[in-house]
Amino acid sequence: NAGVMQNPRHLVRRRGQEARLRCSPMKGHSHVYWYRQLPEEGLKFMVYLQKENIIDESGMPKERFSAEFPKEGPSILRIQQVVRGDSAAYFCASSRSGTGLNTEAFFGQGTRLTVV
Amino acid sequence: EDKVVQSPLSLVVHEGDTVTLNCSYEVTNFRSLLWYKQEKKAPTFLFMLTSSGIEKKSGRLSSILDKKELFSILNITATQTGDSAVYLCAVLLNAGNNRKLIWGLGTSLAVNP
Repeated sequence: NAGVMQNPRHLVRRRGQEARLRCSPMKGHSHVYWYRQLPEEGLKFMVYLQKENIIDESGMPKERFSAEFPKEGPSILRIQQVVRGDSAAYFCASSRSGTGLNTEAFFGQGTRLTVV
Repeated sequence: EDKVVQSPLSLVVHEGDTVTLNCSYEVTNFRSLLWYKQEKKAPTFLFMLTSSGIEKKSGRLSSILDKKELFSILNITATQTGDSAVYLCAVLLNAGNNRKLIWGLGTSLAVNP
């Protein structure tokens, strides 16, 4: 059983370009969470999705960021017109059920975005 | 078996009280311990602790990790009704090609006016 797969592992974008980060959850998992980690900080929650639904996007910046989890295919975190401050590691996690108590959520290896 | 145990399971206090929430763990390949506040569907990140004995603070909240005794505490001073939530502790492990997150059952905190 493959784990949570994120790609690409590393992504370099120039300021103003778009970044698309992909996350394929573990088999049987229908809940996906995106987190951002900046240097010396912990994981900051961004958005929680189920298939075709955004459940909680309270951690997402209002501008330029969007996420989706279509019925078929991976979850996509999209950052438009990237700026230097978007440089960070972006982690995706998936779980079988929601973020109820005692639920194991597995993380992918992350995508390291560098904006130059 | 990896496990994370939180105590108490629930707590009722009055505004202005100070509370201490506990999280103990027995895991292999420990990487870090995280505290979250859950009010809606998804938890809100509070702290990530990796090193022993270094207190992290954010306003009225603070947390510290003891890697020798395998526990962490979350302190909330001068509690407010807005602090009412479930507080989750999770331990992040290195698990092969993935980082596995083991959650505790949470402490349900109710702050009464």
